[in-house]
Amino acid sequence: AQKVTQAQTEISVVEKEDVTLDCVYETRDTTYYLFWYKQPPSGELVFLIRRNSFDEQNEISGRYSWNFQKSTSSFNFTITASQVVDSAVYFCALHNTNAGKSTFGDGTTLTVKP
Amino acid sequence: DAGVIQSPRHEVTEMGQEVTLRCKPISGHNSLFWYRQTMMRGLELLIYFNNNVPIDDSGMPEDRFSAKMPNASFSTLKIQPSEPRDSAVYFCASSLVPLAGSYNEQFFGPGTRLTVL
Repeated sequence: AQKVTQAQTEISVVEKEDVTLDCVYETRDTTYYLFWYKQPPSGELVFLIRRNSFDEQNEISGRYSWNFQKSTSSFNFTITASQVVDSAVYFCALHNTNAGKSTFGDGTTLTVKP
Repeated sequence: DAGVIQSPRHEVTEMGQEVTLRCKPISGHNSLFWYRQTMMRGLELLIYFNNNVPIDDSGMPEDRFSAKMPNASFSTLKIQPSEPRDSAVYFCASSLVPLAGSYNEQFFGPGTRLTVL
């Protein structure tokens, strides 16, 4: 069985603050992929990043950065200098390559206030 | 590229009626996923196709739900008979899996908001 836990249900910050969204996963597989998706108020799901289980390098893309730590089964997402347009629900997801299953966390609702 | 296309965008029906949701994946993608999103249960994977073949349908809630993928460019999700608890947003997503064991991001359609009265 696999599981993704996003313990933070809702986060509210003021514009320009940094914010970290936590993601902890469980899987028995040695090969898997982790993802972050964004769901803005308009409702569509937008891909942000993919990481495979063998690549623990952190990644930075503009104001976004991701910290993958296999030792703690975590894949945290940080937004630096948040903006109002970052307000959305963010989902962390785990994909099992063997069974083709995708498991999503419950999502974290981020509200960035001006 | 037009992206993943879903129709209808909104569907309102009465309990007991048959509902058919449609999805056209991105051309060239070989994997297709149907998800359901509700406030109570979050985002749930219902079924996953690879090369038009259903790989895992363990997420399909009950026999009232069925999904088909007759060809690489079309899939349907059918609910018969529909019930009020089926009200949700249903997303279709597609992906390209170039090699066995590899995996790429899923591209989601805009979703179909289903309301069963």
